[in-house]
Amino acid sequence: NAGVMQNPRHLVRRRGQEARLRCSPMKGHSHVYWYRQLPEEGLKFMVYLQKENIIDESGMPKERFSAEFPKEGPSILRIQQVVRGDSAAYFCASSVYGSIDNEQFFGPGTRLTVL
Amino acid sequence: DAKTTQPPSMDCAEGRAANLPCNHSTISGNEYVYWYRQIHSQGPQYIIHGLKNNETNEMASLIITEDRKSSTLILPHATLRDTAVYYCIVRLRLFMNSGGYQKVTFGTGTKLQVIP
Repeated sequence: NAGVMQNPRHLVRRRGQEARLRCSPMKGHSHVYWYRQLPEEGLKFMVYLQKENIIDESGMPKERFSAEFPKEGPSILRIQQVVRGDSAAYFCASSVYGSIDNEQFFGPGTRLTVL
Repeated sequence: DAKTTQPPSMDCAEGRAANLPCNHSTISGNEYVYWYRQIHSQGPQYIIHGLKNNETNEMASLIITEDRKSSTLILPHATLRDTAVYYCIVRLRLFMNSGGYQKVTFGTGTKLQVIP
């Protein structure tokens, strides 16, 4: 059973470009979470999605950031008009259910560098 | 969610037990204590979790005080591969229309350096 997959592992964008980060959850998992980790900081929750639904996006910046988890295909975290402050590691996690007793399995992350 | 406090860094000799403390004095009755670790440049890895009782698995042991205001993660025989940042997290179960789910916030954790 393959783990959570994220691609690309490294992404370089110039200011003003768009960044699209993809996350494929573990097989059988229908709950996806996105986190951001700024340099020398802990992970910060961004958004929680189930198939075709955004459940909690309280950690998402109000502008330029969006996330989706379509019925088919990976979850996408999209950042429009990137700025240098968006440079960070973005981690995706998945779980079988959303209940408290199901730990989240994390992917290897996508490291975004904005020039 | 309850806030946790961990020492920023610790050293441990290879082969010895690593005891990582965590304070969570504002924890509420329905919050669990979870531990994750993040090896450099990798995603966080689940280690163990508990509510009231001490827990043990193949990776570690978790000791929770009777008042639940603090806990200790124990790696019984630390190896060089255990060098990582260890995060102690307490989780509040949130009830949404779709059912309970876990919303996790990681602090800065403890950087454990295992020394040969």
